[in-house]
Amino acid sequence: AQSVTQPDIHITVSEGASLELRCNYSYGATPYLFWYVQSPGQGLQLLLKYFSGDTLVQGIKGFEAEFKRSQSSFNLRKPSVHWSDAAEYFCGHINTGTASKLTFGTGTRLQVTL
Amino acid sequence: NAGVTQTPKFQVLKTGQSMTLQCAQDMNHEYMSWYRQDPGMGLRLIHYSVGAGITDQGEVPNGYNVSRSTTEDFPLRLLSAAPSQTSVYFCASSYSRGGEAFFGQGTRLTVV
Repeated sequence: AQSVTQPDIHITVSEGASLELRCNYSYGATPYLFWYVQSPGQGLQLLLKYFSGDTLVQGIKGFEAEFKRSQSSFNLRKPSVHWSDAAEYFCGHINTGTASKLTFGTGTRLQVTL
Repeated sequence: NAGVTQTPKFQVLKTGQSMTLQCAQDMNHEYMSWYRQDPGMGLRLIHYSVGAGITDQGEVPNGYNVSRSTTEDFPLRLLSAAPSQTSVYFCASSYSRGGEAFFGQGTRLTVV
C-alpha cells in the first residue's frame, strides 16, 4: 500500500538551531504531499503542500520543504527553531491514483530546549 | 465561520454501547474525513466522503459506519463500542481533492 514514513519519532533541538524532519513516501507516481503541525490538544494545521513544479516549497511560520524524487523524500526544514515550534509534525500524502484519501505518517514530536 | 465543529469533546462509553460522533462544517466543502489518533500510530483514516451520498473506507473502517446525507454533516457511528476504539477522533474537511484539510478540535472517546 502506498504510504509515507516518518522515521524519527522524537527530535530535540535547541532554540535557534536548524531543524530537518524526514518524510519518505512509497509510490511510483508523484503524490500530493503535505506537512501539518499539531499543537497539544489541538487539531492539525497545514504548514505547506507540494503538487508539482518548483521542488522547494515555502510554508507558514518560516518552514520550507524540498521534494526529491530520486530519494522519494519530502523533508521539512526550518533554519532557526523557536520555542513555540514545539509540537507534533505529520507528513501526509494523497495518492494521485485514488479519489481523495489523505493519509499520514506516524508523526514526529519536536521538543525545543531553551 | 465556525469551520469544522465536532461534538462531543469528551465521551465515556461502556463496552457494547452505541453512539454517534457528530461533525459539521460550514465552508461548503465537498470532501470530509474521519481519523483516529493513537499514541505511536499517528492519524489513521477511518472513512471519507467526496460529496453528499458518497462514502468510502479508509485504513481502519471496521467497527465504524458513516453516511453523508448533506454537504455539511458527516457523522461517525460506533454500533457496539469496544475498548480498542478508545482514541481521539478528528474530523476534517477540504474544498477540493488536494486542498487544505481543516480539522476539528477532536473528540476524546474512552470505552470501558
